[in-house]
Amino acid sequence: QQQVKQSPQSLIVQKGGISIINCAYENTAFDYFPWYQQFPGKGPALLIAIRPDVSEKKEGRFTISFNKSAKQFSLHIMDSQPGDSATYFCAASGRPGGGADGLTFGKGTHLIIQP
Amino acid sequence: DARVTQTPRHKVTEMGQEVTMRCQPILGHNTVFWYRQTMMQGLELLAYFRNRAPLDDSGMPKDRFSAEMPDATLATLKIQPSEPRDSAVYFCASGQTANTEAFFGQGTRLTVV
Repeated sequence: QQQVKQSPQSLIVQKGGISIINCAYENTAFDYFPWYQQFPGKGPALLIAIRPDVSEKKEGRFTISFNKSAKQFSLHIMDSQPGDSATYFCAASGRPGGGADGLTFGKGTHLIIQP
Repeated sequence: DARVTQTPRHKVTEMGQEVTMRCQPILGHNTVFWYRQTMMQGLELLAYFRNRAPLDDSGMPKDRFSAEMPDATLATLKIQPSEPRDSAVYFCASGQTANTEAFFGQGTRLTVV
């Protein structure tokens, strides 16, 4: 059972445009929703994360929008740059006992920003 | 420069051989995760430890995989015997109990021929 569904699988955006990646989850116990960025040959790195008590979080050009009732969240990259070309993963986790817990990842979106 | 260190970075082995992957978590982190990444399945959680105790290894094939933390600075993932379907990139990640962020290592690319 895939608990976090991510779309699209691949995305091409022109430089300066807005990149939008969407995720939907099923487990209502999830309460932490990070986005990870991965470059070829590297491990995933945390980009931005949100908890369900807020509907939006912005850090620089990156924004997470969160819709708790729809169980959906999305990543928006404003003014997309060629250096943003990477694979992006959404993820979700619960903390039944408190503390760090294993993440359930979406399948990833391969983003290409064309100059 | 705090980071998760994984060794080896690349491993090619023959089917049936034992493979051991090692991970040094970030100093002070008490939670260690093992993930496997493949094109087909994406990132899958295999197992994780807190304070060196295994908390969840339900994602790991029990018959051939084993994960341990001999001490707070070393986590190991062993495959015995290895099979071609085990070919993947294996990531170790670490985190703190009070912070859900997981920091990933650069991975071990395993190829079983």
